[in-house]
Amino acid sequence: EVQLVESGGGLVQPGGSLRLSCAASGFTFSSYEMNWVRQAPGKGLEWVSYISSSGSTIYYADSVKGRFTISRDNAKNSLYLQMNSLRAEDTAVYYCAKELELRPFSFDYWGQGTLVTVSS
Amino acid sequence: QSALTQPASVSGSPGQSITISCTGTSSDVGGYNYVSWYQQHPGKAPKLMIYEVSNRPSGVPDRFSGSKSGNTASLTISGLQAEDEADYYCSSYTSSSTLGVFGGGTKLTVL
Repeated sequence: EVQLVESGGGLVQPGGSLRLSCAASGFTFSSYEMNWVRQAPGKGLEWVSYISSSGSTIYYADSVKGRFTISRDNAKNSLYLQMNSLRAEDTAVYYCAKELELRPFSFDYWGQGTLVTVSS
Repeated sequence: QSALTQPASVSGSPGQSITISCTGTSSDVGGYNYVSWYQQHPGKAPKLMIYEVSNRPSGVPDRFSGSKSGNTASLTISGLQAEDEADYYCSSYTSSSTLGVFGGGTKLTVL
């Protein structure tokens, strides 16, 4: 059974940093592209970042470019999101999402999400 | 990259059919067949319902179907059931550097 379990969310002050983790199991993690998608309270889904299976190709949404860094450790079956210079508008539930093989921007499995709250 | 355009809400009675539209541009919906639809119940993670415009993942009822014409994709749910009440989001791969884009979401109410 595919499982994605996010952790690392919490309350952080504006300008602060947070590192999210996503532990993957039930599939060959190193073979699949992964993404982070967020959802602000009461709002829609917003794509945040993508990383290829090897980690060699990375994309970011304009809203987080220069502040967030996506990475992965295939040996540990883990995906990460380092978030720096956090702003109030980054407050959201952050989901890690597995990309469907050979179907870009199609996400067949999602974690349960971890809430990040940016507030003083 | 602007979000894809979806109606804010749709409604239907049990047993009826409804269609949710998702309008983009030739750089996303119109240019690629990588349109997906997600169902999200309150407090839950999104669930993939349709990928590549019209394909259903294993386990998704055949009451759910997808199509595309030009820059507009559509999700049709036939034989509405109470458990279909949820938010629905479309998404598309895009040729821009942002890789992909979601729609704003549509709240489906089953009357």
